[in-house]
Amino acid sequence: DADVTQTPRNRITKTGKRIMLECSQTKGHDRMYWYRQDPGLGLRLIYYSFDVKDINKGEISDGYSVSRQAQAKFSLSLESAIPNQTALYFCATRGGNEQFFGPGTRLTVL
Amino acid sequence: AQSVTQPDIHITVSEGASLELRCNYSYGATPYLFWYVQSPGQGLQLLLKYFSGDTLVQGIKGFEAEFKRSQSSFNLRKPSVHWSDAAEYFCAGAGNMLTFGGGTRLMVKP
Repeated sequence: DADVTQTPRNRITKTGKRIMLECSQTKGHDRMYWYRQDPGLGLRLIYYSFDVKDINKGEISDGYSVSRQAQAKFSLSLESAIPNQTALYFCATRGGNEQFFGPGTRLTVL
Repeated sequence: AQSVTQPDIHITVSEGASLELRCNYSYGATPYLFWYVQSPGQGLQLLLKYFSGDTLVQGIKGFEAEFKRSQSSFNLRKPSVHWSDAAEYFCAGAGNMLTFGGGTRLMVKP
């Protein structure tokens, strides 16, 4: 079984809809991250959490929110999706100096 | 500000030829450095990492990378490329956060 899982793997939605992307991990790590990937830009950090009570904005947090429901779960929400949020989204955990990535969620906003 | 740069957006090599993918970093101190590979439709897989010590790092799939402090570089190399190496490659540096380069897409000619 994968250590970091993301659901859904693919999602198509319309402008203005609320969307939640979920991430779960079985690695027991305290630190979790959400990134988005756009062509030519690599991965950019949206939000990160060092533990259940510690949530921080990353480089591109506008238009997103997160919830750390438990050590193992970290959800990303788009309150009102817009087309330029179409991207590939990755969740990751950090153990020691290494990050472990989920398989990604491909989100398309029409 | 911390940054990681991959100067080459696309590289095409012939199967069996050698490969070098460039990565430059800008950090106040030597960061932890990573190379990841992303095959089409897949998540990120860690190829290798550098924390300290020997500046030539061996990774999986026959890849290696050399840390050169004087050039602020961490270039990825492989002596003989296989068609299955076609993918996108990301260099990343970790200070407080993991910062990614924009990626290099590798194409392999038969």
